[in-house]
Amino acid sequence: DTAVSQTPKYLVTQMGNDKSIKCEQNLGHDTMYWYKQDSKKFLKIMFSYNNKELIINETVPNRFSPKSPDKAHLNLHINSLELGDSAVYFCASSRSMGTQYFGPGTRLLVL
Amino acid sequence: RKEVEQDPGPFNVPEGATVAFNCTYSNSASQSFFWYRQDCRKEPKLLMSVYSSGNEDGRFTAQLNRASQYISLLIRDSKLSDSATYLCVVNIFGGGADGLTFGKGTHLIIQP
Repeated sequence: DTAVSQTPKYLVTQMGNDKSIKCEQNLGHDTMYWYKQDSKKFLKIMFSYNNKELIINETVPNRFSPKSPDKAHLNLHINSLELGDSAVYFCASSRSMGTQYFGPGTRLLVL
Repeated sequence: RKEVEQDPGPFNVPEGATVAFNCTYSNSASQSFFWYRQDCRKEPKLLMSVYSSGNEDGRFTAQLNRASQYISLLIRDSKLSDSATYLCVVNIFGGGADGLTFGKGTHLIIQP
């Protein structure tokens, strides 16, 4: 019944590793997003993906690459993890630019 | 200048009191407005949309002033369960990823 789900919930890894976070929504929405919430709790958009069109936030390092195999999934792959990547990553979905529904978050800790 | 500004608080308020907080946004092209609520270690959840005419949902009232680029949230008869962080959100159609902007949130603590 979960509308927006993410896996894993927690991710602890070493600097330099590559990791992926998965997101799935069963709401029939056409737009999905990735957000980063840092230690100061500031929630910032990273990407949005609407009907196969990726809209990139240019402040996001290119080590971050979203991949959408279909409308219901938007995964986030991170290469060469850095300490500053430690944060909570939230996936969200919506109809076009409407109300967004968030997943439970993935807590990433880079050691 | 920050795009969406909120007083971070914390606001410490006794149970049953009325509390109001505000947010200002810098982009006059903003088209839609929301208040989200985020509990500790949880995801943000939509509290209510904000309409130009103002709108109410139970104990919660939201107001929008487009001329002043100002949004408010009023909570009446506050409950312990209202303790959370309240996020002001503006949406700019056609702005792509940058069109979805969150404030840093206002932390509210309702005290018994």
